Amino acid sequence: GESVGLHLPTLSVQEGDNSIINCAYSNSASDYFIWYKQESGKGPQFIIDIRSNMDKRQGQRVTVLLNKTVKHLSLQIAATQPGDSAVYFCAENSKQAGTALIFGKGTTLSVSS
Amino acid sequence: DGGITQSPKYLFRKEGQNVTLSCEQNLNHDAMYWYRQDPGQGLRLIYYSQIVNDFQKGDIAEGYSVSREKKESFPLTVTSAQKNPTAFYLCASSARRGLEQYFGPGTRLTVT
Repeated sequence: GESVGLHLPTLSVQEGDNSIINCAYSNSASDYFIWYKQESGKGPQFIIDIRSNMDKRQGQRVTVLLNKTVKHLSLQIAATQPGDSAVYFCAENSKQAGTALIFGKGTTLSVSS
Repeated sequence: DGGITQSPKYLFRKEGQNVTLSCEQNLNHDAMYWYRQDPGQGLRLIYYSQIVNDFQKGDIAEGYSVSREKKESFPLTVTSAQKNPTAFYLCASSARRGLEQYFGPGTRLTVT
């Protein structure tokens, strides 16, 4: 079965709000995590990544938080825009998996203006 | 302009026919991957290759085959043994473990 999953399949927010997308993972050996954004009919795009020796990493308008104690990953999007509407996936990797990532099912973010 | 290309974008086939999906990358990445995505679902790993002339089965390899004769190319054949081949197929590549995977634009295969 999958070891990565998301708490909510859909999230609806208003333009300008902050969005938080959550992900739980079950493999405590995972040491690398990525968030991807996928727009309809396109391939996933890299948003941000984080390694297990960190608990927070910031990008442009996005922040990823990693809580290894409860095996939880979250993606925060500041000032959400209509262009942020997409499906967001978290993915994890461990040494035993080599280079292969395990993906969760995804959360659909809908931003209304 | 580096990246991953997949062709064609849309592919239609009759049931019982084998079909090969193309994936090419010019990123000089050692590892390449094939995923299948069904509507409203996540990505499921079909096959991956960490180096030329070597590949491993992923979670759903039955009914699929691959080859990795060149570093740049990782074609996927969907055989007639695949019971439910209609899906969106995504190819990806990565330089090494612990680095992001780059994805192609995908091929939507419809089998009737």
